[in-house]
Amino acid sequence: AQSVAQPEDQVNVAEGNPLTVKCTYSVSGNPYLFWYVQYPNRGLQFLLKYITGDNLVKGSYGFEAEFNKSQTSFHLKKPSALVSDSALYFCAVRDPNSGYSTLTFGKGTMLLVSP
Amino acid sequence: EAQVTQNPRYLITVTGKKLTVTCSQNMNHEYMSWYRQDPGLGLRQIYYSMNVEVTDKGDVPEGYKVSRKEKRNFPLILESPSPNQTSLYFCASSPPGRNTEAFFGQGTRLTVV
Repeated sequence: AQSVAQPEDQVNVAEGNPLTVKCTYSVSGNPYLFWYVQYPNRGLQFLLKYITGDNLVKGSYGFEAEFNKSQTSFHLKKPSALVSDSALYFCAVRDPNSGYSTLTFGKGTMLLVSP
Repeated sequence: EAQVTQNPRYLITVTGKKLTVTCSQNMNHEYMSWYRQDPGLGLRQIYYSMNVEVTDKGDVPEGYKVSRKEKRNFPLILESPSPNQTSLYFCASSPPGRNTEAFFGQGTRLTVV
């Protein structure tokens, strides 16, 4: 069975500083990995995904994520945080060998960027 | 505009009164899913559908029903809602292929009293 862990319930960072939101996964084969963001009273918005190839993936709003197979991690990063980045972030995994393309989500990490 | 539309956005109901949350997508996607979001638990899949007339249970299907009579619509039915179904519900759709991202609706906040 596939699973995702987001070890931090909340991450606090000052505006202008780099940010990292952590994600580790468990899947039987090579994973497909996704990051989504949820702003208050909104649905989830897709940020980026890793399918294959370059371990560093660039996405929307200046976010990027690094796939590390040996550590089974897919941490979300941004070089310089903005107050408007404050939101709930979800990591998700899909097992490419599963019978159906079910997305399994982590519990989410609240990112708070202070001015 | 490509979108997934859920209705209603907010609903307060009483225990046992049947309700339906509608979901419609305009992207001609084969795959559709329903999730519930609860604090500390993230998103959990309730039901999914791979195409018209093809539905299957997700991780937390108890107390819910779905139907997929048309490709664009995937309603979620609570025939006898209970307070433990108070939650934030999301509908999602995606094209075929395991490397594709899902598109989410705006959510329906349901309170069962």
